Amino acid sequence: NAGVTQTPKFQVLKTGQSMTLQCAQDMNHNSMYWYRQDPGMGLRLIYYSASEGTTDKGEVPNGYNVSRLNKREFSLRLESAAPSQTSVYFCASSGGGASGMADTQYFGPGTRLTVL
Amino acid sequence: RKEVEQDPGPFNVPEGATVAFNCTYSNSASQSFFWYRQDCRKEPKLLMSVYSSGNEDGRFTAQLNRASQYISLLIRDSKLSDSATYLCVVGANFGNEKLTFGTGTRLTIIP
Repeated sequence: NAGVTQTPKFQVLKTGQSMTLQCAQDMNHNSMYWYRQDPGMGLRLIYYSASEGTTDKGEVPNGYNVSRLNKREFSLRLESAAPSQTSVYFCASSGGGASGMADTQYFGPGTRLTVL
Repeated sequence: RKEVEQDPGPFNVPEGATVAFNCTYSNSASQSFFWYRQDCRKEPKLLMSVYSSGNEDGRFTAQLNRASQYISLLIRDSKLSDSATYLCVVGANFGNEKLTFGTGTRLTIIP
């Protein structure tokens, strides 16, 4: 049981290049999330998907797009990378929560992205 | 005011000691509370959920004070393996699955 997987683990981009970060979960979870983590800032939500076919903006969505390809996969795309997007990116998933309460989120190992 | 605030530390504590962290949250309507642990250059992992009545898991005790809007984590008989960053996490309003993460408290256990 792999849990949440992310590819790639590391990436270096030049300003203006594009790339897609891939995430997949095998826990049959309904909800998936993309976060970025920067020193002193904590984890900040970029986008999330409460169910297959739906996506919503989080706290810091500018410069990113997402696709919930199916229940398992949730990808994050940087169309034109900027140095300010240098960060560690985590994907997470959760079951959906009982009675509307937030459920435990399970994280992937992260992607370390550097934009030069 | 940040939604979730934690003392960033670092806390340097001798092995075997007891250490406590507090965390405050600003949204009085928050419904879910967690402590996550994050090792250096790794992903966050759930340490324990925090229930209104308080809960214990081995050497770890978590407490919630809704009136004062703070959450605490107590670690007894600390081990070298407890060295990590501890993230206070709060669930949004009822019906919303989003979590808000504190910036974390860094703990180092000294032999």
